[in-house]
Amino acid sequence: GESVGLHLPTLSVQEGDNSIINCAYSNSASDYFIWYKQESGKGPQFIIDIRSNMDKRQGQRVTVLLNKTVKHLSLQIAATQPGDSAVYFCAEKLVFGTGTRLLVSP
Amino acid sequence: DAMVIQNPRYQVTQFGKPVTLSCSQTLNHNVMYWYQQKSSQAPKLLFHYYDKDFNNEADTPDNFQSRRPNTSFCFLDIRSPGLGDAAMYLCATSRRGLPQETQYFGPGTRLLVL
Repeated sequence: GESVGLHLPTLSVQEGDNSIINCAYSNSASDYFIWYKQESGKGPQFIIDIRSNMDKRQGQRVTVLLNKTVKHLSLQIAATQPGDSAVYFCAEKLVFGTGTRLLVSP
Repeated sequence: DAMVIQNPRYQVTQFGKPVTLSCSQTLNHNVMYWYQQKSSQAPKLLFHYYDKDFNNEADTPDNFQSRRPNTSFCFLDIRSPGLGDAAMYLCATSRRGLPQETQYFGPGTRLLVL
């Protein structure tokens, strides 16, 4: 079956640094991926998505890269802020990956 | 603001005592989803409604049922909660349920089973 997984459970960065959160998937036919941010006590919040016909997509301070050859995607957050501290999930349509907790120190 | 609302935010029930969680939406979306999220884990889809059509995930236990009386409301019924059912339950909506469509999540209801 499908699986979507993350490499690191916790990522600690300093305020102002760039953050990179990675995700691997197993189904080569997967064609749509989403990154969510989940703050403590809240539901997941859509950040950015990417379709399989794209390699890169940019939003405000966020970039998602998709490498279909190795079935890997990443979320890059530029100039990370304390408000970015949360758990980040990648998802393939309705299937969520494990999650990475991002901790941003002032 | 249009939104997804879940009540209550915290629910305590007793082992084996039926419990119902509520979700409402002002987005007028066709699709409503229920996810279970256990501590430090990813949300897991239980089932969803496309309008009045119910779609159950293959591995969702029979103990979990859902009702959608109208477009705005959807309920999650747990017939006989066990200790393992303690979790955050998330409701989400999407406009037409297309694979490449944004989901909007509510804040969740945290269920505690005593």
